[in-house]
Amino acid sequence: AQSVSQHNHHVILSEAASLELGCNYSYGGTVNLFWYVQYPGQHLQLLLKYFSGDPLVKGIKGFEAEFIKSKFSFNLRKPSVQWSDTAEYFCAASNDYKLSFGAGTTVTVRA
Amino acid sequence: DGGITQSPKYLFRKEGQNVTLSCEQNLNHDAMYWYRQDPGQGLRLIYYSQIVNDFQKGDIAEGYSVSREKKESFPLTVTSAQKNPTAFYLCASSLRSSGANVLTFGAGSRLTVL
Repeated sequence: AQSVSQHNHHVILSEAASLELGCNYSYGGTVNLFWYVQYPGQHLQLLLKYFSGDPLVKGIKGFEAEFIKSKFSFNLRKPSVQWSDTAEYFCAASNDYKLSFGAGTTVTVRA
Repeated sequence: DGGITQSPKYLFRKEGQNVTLSCEQNLNHDAMYWYRQDPGQGLRLIYYSQIVNDFQKGDIAEGYSVSREKKESFPLTVTSAQKNPTAFYLCASSLRSSGANVLTFGAGSRLTVL
């Protein structure tokens, strides 16, 4: 079955630390990959996406993600986090019209 | 502003009652979706609709029903058959129904069964 797994349930960081959130998917063939973010009290919103082309994609607020096909991974990174990056982060994947989400990672950034 | 409106924001229900959650979008999107969000489980797809008068079951459709009579509306009914209905429900839409489309989400409805 198609699925998405996120490695960490809760990550706690200090400001200026680097962040990397792991995501693996189990899809055959062509896959579209996404990271969504849910800030406290706000709607889920798109952080970045990968459809094809350059496997290193850049999103909003300084986030980037790298698609590694051989590892079925799409890890999210940010070199230096801010307090405002405190949120829940969801990895998602699809190869048709159904988008499947991972369980989410809660990121807490301490000032 | 264009977007998705979900109502009510909070809803309490007694066991054995059906409840209907509203989802309206003014984005002119063809596809609409209902997800259920539980702590530690992420978002799970309940139902989705690619066009008016058509919808398909997602991964956890049991105990739920939907209709899509108008393009802008996709209400979800949580029936008494749903064994564990207390959850946060999210409605979403996309321009078309394809794997490459980005979803726009509503603010959600939190249902609590007493």
